[in-house]
Amino acid sequence: KAGVTQTPRYLIKTRGQQVTLSCSPISGHRSVSWYQQTPGQGLQFLFEYFSETQRNKGNFPGRFSGRQFSNSRSEMNVSTLELGDSALYLCASSLGPGQSNTGELFFGEGSRLTVL
Amino acid sequence: AQSVTQLGSHVSVSEGALVLLRCNYSSSVPPYLFWYVQYPNQGLQLLLKYTSAATLVKGINGFEAEFKKSETSFHLTKPSAHMSDAAEYFCAVSVGTGGFKTIFGAGTRLFVKA
Repeated sequence: KAGVTQTPRYLIKTRGQQVTLSCSPISGHRSVSWYQQTPGQGLQFLFEYFSETQRNKGNFPGRFSGRQFSNSRSEMNVSTLELGDSALYLCASSLGPGQSNTGELFFGEGSRLTVL
Repeated sequence: AQSVTQLGSHVSVSEGALVLLRCNYSSSVPPYLFWYVQYPNQGLQLLLKYTSAATLVKGINGFEAEFKKSETSFHLTKPSAHMSDAAEYFCAVSVGTGGFKTIFGAGTRLFVKA
């Protein structure tokens, strides 16, 4: 069974640009969560999607957005990039509700964004 | 609100020594608790999870954790450290109504000395 796939793995952008990151969950998983990981702030929850609907949202500005497609694949977008957006962005998939979901997350290897 | 506190951002042990990584949680409802491990340049991987079935939970690579409700703790232990255990460890709590939102602790980096 293929794991969670994130693309691209590495990217470099400049301030003011925008970026789109992609995540393909494990087959059969319908929930996708996004996290930002930085040395100073640790793992911060961005948002969680299930059946194309955002169910939970972290405390991030509106520049951070996401969406989920009907095949459960998800994208997140960051507009007007700032230097502080440099981070490892992790996607995690899990079973949806009603499927004995205990909240276990399966992570991809992340997309490392550097903003210059 | 739910939260997780990991005591000690860095822990150093000798190879063969006991590993003890501390985690305390705060939750208004019975939580699901997890320990994840992250190796350099990789995502997180589940070590073990507590889902109320048993208070002593065994995970992969010889790790185990004990849920103590009275102490709101979920400490991670391993009797004998191995060099390959060097990594960052995250304690996490998952609660949610209508969806899950997992909150992670700040992480503890484990160093293993030869």
